[in-house]
Amino acid sequence: EVQLVESGGGLVQPGGSLRLSCAASGFTFSSYWMHWVRQAPGKGLVWVSRIKGDGSSLKYADSVKGRFTISRDNARNTVYMQMDSLGAEDTAVYYCAREGSGSFTKTHDFWGHGTLVTVSS
Amino acid sequence: QSVLTQPPSVSGAPGQRVTISCTGSSSNIGAGFAVNWYQQLPGTAPKLLMYGNSNRPSGVPDRFSGSKSGTSASLAITGLQAEDEADYYCQSFDSSLSDYLFGGGTKLTVL
Repeated sequence: EVQLVESGGGLVQPGGSLRLSCAASGFTFSSYWMHWVRQAPGKGLVWVSRIKGDGSSLKYADSVKGRFTISRDNARNTVYMQMDSLGAEDTAVYYCAREGSGSFTKTHDFWGHGTLVTVSS
Repeated sequence: QSVLTQPPSVSGAPGQRVTISCTGSSSNIGAGFAVNWYQQLPGTAPKLLMYGNSNRPSGVPDRFSGSKSGTSASLAITGLQAEDEADYYCQSFDSSLSDYLFGGGTKLTVL
């Protein structure tokens, strides 16, 4: 069974940093692109970043470029999001999602439960 | 403002049929990129509901169907049930942005 479990969220002051983790199980982690998607309170889903299975390709939304860094450790089956220079606009639930393969390419076929990041003084 | 445009809300009575539209442009839906749909029940994570425009993942009832034409796509739900009350998001890929896009989401209310 595919499982994605996020952790690392919490309350952080403006300008601060936080590192999110997403532990994966139930599939060959290194074979899949992994994504982060966020959802501000009462708002819609926004794609944030993605990383290729071997870590060789990364992409970010313009809103986080230069502040967020996605990475992965395939030995630990974990994907990370280092978030720096956080602002109130980054307050959201952050979801880890797997990009499917084959017919499910360019879909987010499995999602974690999310971790809440609150940026406030 | 999302690049993929959805109506903020739709509603229907139990047993009725509702449709949710998703309008894009020539750099995403119109460029041939597939449209996927996600269902987010209250307080839960999104779940893949439809992929490749009109394909249902295992376990999704055939009351749900998807279609695509030109720069738009639609999700139809027939035989509406109370458990269908949720937020629905379309998603595609945009070649000019080289980014994944979500629509703004549509809240379905079952009357």
